[in-house]
Amino acid sequence: AQKVTQAQTEISVVEKEDVTLDCVYETRDTTYYLFWYKQPPSGELVFLIRRNSFDEQNEISGRYSWNFQKSTSSFNFTITASQVVDSAVYFCALGSGNTGKLIFGQGTTLQVKP
Amino acid sequence: GAVVSQHPSRVICKSGTSVKIECRSLDFQATTMFWYRQFPKKSLMLMATSNEGSKATYEQGVEKDKFLINHASLTLSTLTVTSAHPEDSSFYICSAVTDPAEGYTFGSGTRLTVV
Repeated sequence: AQKVTQAQTEISVVEKEDVTLDCVYETRDTTYYLFWYKQPPSGELVFLIRRNSFDEQNEISGRYSWNFQKSTSSFNFTITASQVVDSAVYFCALGSGNTGKLIFGQGTTLQVKP
Repeated sequence: GAVVSQHPSRVICKSGTSVKIECRSLDFQATTMFWYRQFPKKSLMLMATSNEGSKATYEQGVEKDKFLINHASLTLSTLTVTSAHPEDSSFYICSAVTDPAEGYTFGSGTRLTVV
């Protein structure tokens, strides 16, 4: 069975601080896909990144970076120099290479204060 | 890029009536569509998986007679909430996929309020 755990329910930081959102996953699939989405108050899901199980290369996109560690089944997300506009709910998700199902973690609410 | 159109974005209905939510892939053919439900300040819970031309597969605990899913074509899936009650009020969002390796495309969601 697949499972995604985001242990941090809420995080509050002051602008310009760095913040890391944790994500731990469980799957028996050999091929799987990991995602991070941002959900602003409007409800729409904003795609941030996708990683395939066979590509452990970390990625940086502007202030965002992702650390994929298969050895610990983690896919953590770091925002550097956070801004108020980063305030949102962030979801980590796991897609099965076998069934195609995409399941979500519980979400982490990030509040960045000015 | 791939776009999924979901309608309506908001709907208010009376208790006991049925509501249909549509999810269309505009520029690609989606072999599979997923329906999710999200309660306030909660995660997205997978309700069911629909494949074109076949019956939907529901997750454990989801009432298939309450939430009717039809995937009549490669570009359209519908979710009908039958005999809606206030506890069905929620945010419903669909996702379409052709190949998970290429990612999932989400609709903008439907906020259902049953009064």
